[in-house]
Amino acid sequence: EVQLGESGGDLVQPGGSLRLSCAASGFLVSSNFMNWVRQAPGKGLEWVSIIYSDGRTYYADSVKGRFTIYRDNSKNTLYLQMNSLRSEDTAVYYCARARGGSASHKTVSEYWGQGTLVTVSS
Amino acid sequence: AIQLTQSPSSLSASVGDRVTITCRASQGIRTTLAWYQQKPGKAPKLLIYDASSLESGVPSRFSGSGSGTDFTLTISSLQPEDFATYYCQQFNDYPHTFGQGTRLEIK
Repeated sequence: EVQLGESGGDLVQPGGSLRLSCAASGFLVSSNFMNWVRQAPGKGLEWVSIIYSDGRTYYADSVKGRFTIYRDNSKNTLYLQMNSLRSEDTAVYYCARARGGSASHKTVSEYWGQGTLVTVSS
Repeated sequence: AIQLTQSPSSLSASVGDRVTITCRASQGIRTTLAWYQQKPGKAPKLLIYDASSLESGVPSRFSGSGSGTDFTLTISSLQPEDFATYYCQQFNDYPHTFGQGTRLEIK
């Protein structure tokens, strides 16, 4: 059974850093496309970043240069390193496993974690 | 970035109604569109991918159509568990933008 569990969310001051973790079970993070998606309180969904099975990464313009997606294959865990945090980064952060394969829908999020809340405030 | 505009932003309907939600892309995206359902406090759930392909386990009352810039999600006969917020997402190009959401409420 595919399971995803995010952790690491916390209250952090503007300009600070935080690392989110997404522990996976039932599949290998290294063999899949993995997304981070966030949702500000009372707002809609915002795609944040993706890492391909071959290691390629892509980011939303709003986080480019500040956030880094990476994985630890030995721990079967996905991470999101967030630096230079701003108030507008306050959100629930979800990790999601994509459908995979070779078709265009390989990056579509299929399995989601329960989310972890990041609050950026002084 | 490709923008997705959903309409309506909110909708009131009754159990048994047929409901259609529209998603319009700012440029052509072929059929690279997905639909998600989200209930309060829960993670989104994938319903439809490739504009019209039903995700495994999703009831057949959900259907999607469209290509290019105009897409629709249709629920043929609303059930109590369908009252939620629905989002479209394009995966044609990065960033993989979402629509702003459509909140479906009980009339």
